[in-house]
Amino acid sequence: KNEVEQSPQNLTAQEGEFITINCSYSVGISALHWLQQHPGGGIVSLFMLSSGKKKHGRLIATINIQEKHSSLHITASHPRDSAVYICAVWGGADGLTFGKGTHLIIQP
Amino acid sequence: DTAVSQTPKYLVTQMGNDKSIKCEQNLGHDTMYWYKQDSKKFLKIMFSYNNKELIINETVPNRFSPKSPDKAHLNLHINSLELGDSAVYFCASTTQGAVGQYFGPGTRLTVT
Repeated sequence: KNEVEQSPQNLTAQEGEFITINCSYSVGISALHWLQQHPGGGIVSLFMLSSGKKKHGRLIATINIQEKHSSLHITASHPRDSAVYICAVWGGADGLTFGKGTHLIIQP
Repeated sequence: DTAVSQTPKYLVTQMGNDKSIKCEQNLGHDTMYWYKQDSKKFLKIMFSYNNKELIINETVPNRFSPKSPDKAHLNLHINSLELGDSAVYFCASTTQGAVGQYFGPGTRLTVT
């Protein structure tokens, strides 16, 4: 079974800062997801990656399959980015295995 | 239009009762999931259905029984509810070629 580790667990930053959240997993995968959960509880899928890099607005996700590592970056962070960011890996028959999440707070 | 919907949004019930949570998606996806998010906010997969067939069944008590009447619906029935069943339950769907999974808003179940 895949082990998914995220770091940091908690992150507080000032508005405008560049944010990086890291995710490592133990077993080879076919895809990795980054999810965002807002304080209201709803979950939004941000990215699904199997290789390389994806960008959507101020969000960038990268994955290194050989190193079993992915990063989520937020440029020019804003208070509305405050949320829990969850990494999840798709292991086929095991479905999605989730990290414990990174609680991000962006202060004005 | 809501892509993945769940009902009810909140459910408060007593131990020993039987309850159901419904999930519907209007995206034409062929795979649906149930996830449980515990009090520590940790998400874990419970079940996965593809074209109405069960393909993932994690170690979940058999008091939990998913039912998929058609590809657009995956309901979760829970018998003899226990205090430890209190959690937020998320439904999600996807299909080959979709960008990730689409999550429902969640159902907060409180067992008293």
